[in-house]
Amino acid sequence: DGGITQSPKYLFRKEGQNVTLSCEQNLNHDAMYWYRQDPGQGLRLIYYSQIVNDFQKGDIAEGYSVSREKKESFPLTVTSAQKNPTAFYLCASSVPYGGNQPQHFGDGTRLSIL
Amino acid sequence: DAKTTQPTSMDCAEGRAANLPCNHSTISGNEYVYWYRQIHSQGPQYIIHGLKNNETNEMASLIITEDRKSSTLILPHATLRDTAVYYCIVSSGGGADGLTFGKGTHLIIQP
Repeated sequence: DGGITQSPKYLFRKEGQNVTLSCEQNLNHDAMYWYRQDPGQGLRLIYYSQIVNDFQKGDIAEGYSVSREKKESFPLTVTSAQKNPTAFYLCASSVPYGGNQPQHFGDGTRLSIL
Repeated sequence: DAKTTQPTSMDCAEGRAANLPCNHSTISGNEYVYWYRQIHSQGPQYIIHGLKNNETNEMASLIITEDRKSSTLILPHATLRDTAVYYCIVSSGGGADGLTFGKGTHLIIQP
């Protein structure tokens, strides 16, 4: 079945370590997104990419980095500069800009600091 | 993107219709209304979207007022599995620059 796969489901990080969250989609979507969700809150946009080899900062990009070398993949790195990385991270994808089709989401990665 | 206002929480009896309201008084002419829901510890699930006409699919119906300043999501026969947080979002272009999520409505289906 087509969909978005995020891995791992749970991730633990030591203070000062970088960690990379995986997001893969087989929906042939051009656009991909990373959101962060804190308890009891809505989602906030970290980074997005509308096409391969291009990406844009969202509302809370500080302390995060991304790459978009392949259409299917949009990994997110949480760097040691992110002071409060414990959160639920969600990846999404959609068809290109100009349409009205919705975003489709993965099931998330829950990151915790040891 | 325009902001939306939703009630924090709602209850509904199992088997009854659940009607979730959303106000979006500053919506622009090219912005669609999208509804998503999120079951605990899962990613948001797309439900339905519309521009100005009422829409229906296998999950729900969307009723948009004539002035487009508010809308209602209707789950016709609510089940316990419909307990979730429901988000109403207005956006143009499917949210190509990212979607703006509020806190949504926590819908609790009572047995």
